[in-house]
Amino acid sequence: EVQLVESGGGLVQPGRSLKLSCAASGFTFSNYYMAWVRQAPKKGLEWVATISTSGSRTYYPDSVKGRFTISRDNAKSSLYLQMNSLKSEDTATYYCARGVGMGWGQGVMVTVSS
Amino acid sequence: DVVLTQTPPTLSATIGQSVSISCRSSQSLLHSNGNTYLHWLLQRPGQSPQLLIYLVSRLESGVPNRFSGSGSGTDFTLKISGVEAEDLGVYYCVQGTHAPNTFGAGTKLELK
Repeated sequence: EVQLVESGGGLVQPGRSLKLSCAASGFTFSNYYMAWVRQAPKKGLEWVATISTSGSRTYYPDSVKGRFTISRDNAKSSLYLQMNSLKSEDTATYYCARGVGMGWGQGVMVTVSS
Repeated sequence: DVVLTQTPPTLSATIGQSVSISCRSSQSLLHSNGNTYLHWLLQRPGQSPQLLIYLVSRLESGVPNRFSGSGSGTDFTLKISGVEAEDLGVYYCVQGTHAPNTFGAGTKLELK
C-alpha cells in the first residue's frame, strides 16, 4: 500500500522559511516522479513542484519559482520542499503526491501570518 | 499552461442516479508517447484527494466499477453509474501530459 506522510508544517511569519518533508513507503520511491500540491482554504488544488526520479530535473509554476525548492533522497525514500520568502498567499494544506496525483499524503498545514 | 474546464461546477444527485462530469482541455492531452495523461480524483470532505481513474479510463485498484472514464484529445468524461452516499465530495480532473501539471477547478457532487 502506498503511504505518504508529510511533516514540517506550522505557523510562520511572512518572509521566513519552512521545510516540509514527506516519508514514502509501499512502493519503489526511486522509480517515480514526485510532486507537491497545495490547497488554500476552501479552494481547489494547485500544483507547486515536481521532481524527476533522479532529482536532476525540477519544475515549478511561476507563483513559487525562485522561492521554493523541491528535492529528494532516494536512499531514504523521502521528498522535501524548502519554502523561502513565504507570503500570506502561500497559506494552504500541502500534499505530497506520487506522480501526477497517483497517490496522496494526508497533507500538512502551512499558515503564513504575522 | 493547459487549462482544464470542468462542468458542471456543482452536481445535485439522488442515491442511485447516474451522473457525468465533463473535463475539457485547452490543448490535446495526447502525449507523443501515445499515452493520454488525464486522471480523475475524488476529494471527500475533510480528506485528501484520492485517485479514481488514470490514463483516461483505467480504474484504480479498489475503486468501485460504477466509476468509469472516457474521452480523447481534449474532451473527457467521468461517469458514476448509480451514485452512492460515499461518492459525495469534489471531483477533479488533472493532466500530466504538458508541463506544468494542471487541475480542473473541481465539480462538487452533493445530495439532492
